[in-house]
Amino acid sequence: GEEVAQTPKHLVRGEGQKAKLYCAPIKGHSYVFWYQQVLKNEFKFLISFQNENVFDETGMPKERFSAKCLPNSPCSLEIQATKLEDSAVYFCASSPRGHPNYGYTFGSGTRLTVV
Amino acid sequence: QKEVEQDPGPLSVPEGAIVSLNCTYSNSAFQYFMWYRQYSRKGPELLMYTYSSGNKEDGRFTAQVDKSSKYISLFIRDSQPSDSATYLCAMNGAQKLVFGQGTRLTINP
Repeated sequence: GEEVAQTPKHLVRGEGQKAKLYCAPIKGHSYVFWYQQVLKNEFKFLISFQNENVFDETGMPKERFSAKCLPNSPCSLEIQATKLEDSAVYFCASSPRGHPNYGYTFGSGTRLTVV
Repeated sequence: QKEVEQDPGPLSVPEGAIVSLNCTYSNSAFQYFMWYRQYSRKGPELLMYTYSSGNKEDGRFTAQVDKSSKYISLFIRDSQPSDSATYLCAMNGAQKLVFGQGTRLTINP
């Protein structure tokens, strides 16, 4: 399809629980990006993939966050032992190439609330 | 100091006004500059992108980049209520986007 599909739209977790978010990129797009949007629109880069390979993970809090993009499956972002500060909207974007010139298409996001 | 600074607003103008949105940045390596529009509860959508310094026009929208001042602008002419949204500037930083904070814009009928 021509849209980036993110599921679920909303996710509520108790502090310490696990959260798993999914992203189906546009068919044919080889790059996937995850961003976290917190506190009045601050976008924080988390991780990017080129196909199933991690391309850049400099934004990932590695102790609790992990992500995968496996062939023929939606990409996933998993947070172990969620904390209150993880409450945010998580956006996935895909592009045919990694260069911003080609434009990223964003999904509608998953709103994670940690209580 | 953040790499990209953008006034979060909010900015409220009457319908038909010219809107000016701006960002400053500190990293002189940035070469591609983008403006995204984000409606409430939606993902950002790409409005315009510009390479290096210069102007780019698309309908009612004009993007300007001044690399010497590290300053970019988005102008919206004949603003419409449907333009009400948050506008985010973004720049390339090593194969990922660096976003400004976003400016919340309301166009009043």
